[in-house]
Amino acid sequence: AQKVTQAQTEISVVEKEDVTLDCVYETRDTTYYLFWYKQPPSGELVFLIRRNSFDEQNEISGRYSWNFQKSTSSFNFTITASQVVDSAVYFCALRAGNTNAGKSTFGDGTTLTVKP
Amino acid sequence: GAVVSQHPSWVICKSGTSVKIECRSLDFQATTMFWYRQFPKQSLMLMATSNEGSKATYEQGVEKDKFLINHASLTLSTLTVTSAHPEDSSFYICSARGGLGEQYFGPGTRLTVT
Repeated sequence: AQKVTQAQTEISVVEKEDVTLDCVYETRDTTYYLFWYKQPPSGELVFLIRRNSFDEQNEISGRYSWNFQKSTSSFNFTITASQVVDSAVYFCALRAGNTNAGKSTFGDGTTLTVKP
Repeated sequence: GAVVSQHPSWVICKSGTSVKIECRSLDFQATTMFWYRQFPKQSLMLMATSNEGSKATYEQGVEKDKFLINHASLTLSTLTVTSAHPEDSSFYICSARGGLGEQYFGPGTRLTVT
């Protein structure tokens, strides 16, 4: 069984603060993929990143960075110098590579509010 | 990049009627499409997986006779909510998987049953 836990239900920060969204996952598969999505009020999911289980390198994309640690089964997402436009619900998701191929399990999401 | 569209983007229907939602992959062929349901302030819950030309695989607890899924071509899957009731009001999101395993999401369809 797969499980994704996003312990932070809501986070509120002031613009320009850094913020980290936590994601912890569970799977028995050795091959899997981890994702982060942003869901603004419009509802459409915006893909942010995909990471496979064999690539533990951290990644930085502009103000976004991701920390993947297999030892703790975590895939945390940090926004540096947050902006009001970052306000959204962020979902972490897990997709097994070998079993249940293609079925993504989503965390409950973290609602981020960035205040001006 | 790959684009998945959904139609309609929102729909209001009366209780007891049926509603069809279309999901199209616009610039790639999707052998597999997924239908999710999202209640307000909740996560996405997978309803079913559909493969082109075969019957959909429904998740536990999802009524297959109520949520009819048809994946007639490599670019189109439809979800029909039959005899809709107010509790079926939700945000329905489809996603399509491309040849390299990438998963692209549609913009969602907001269904309100009165």
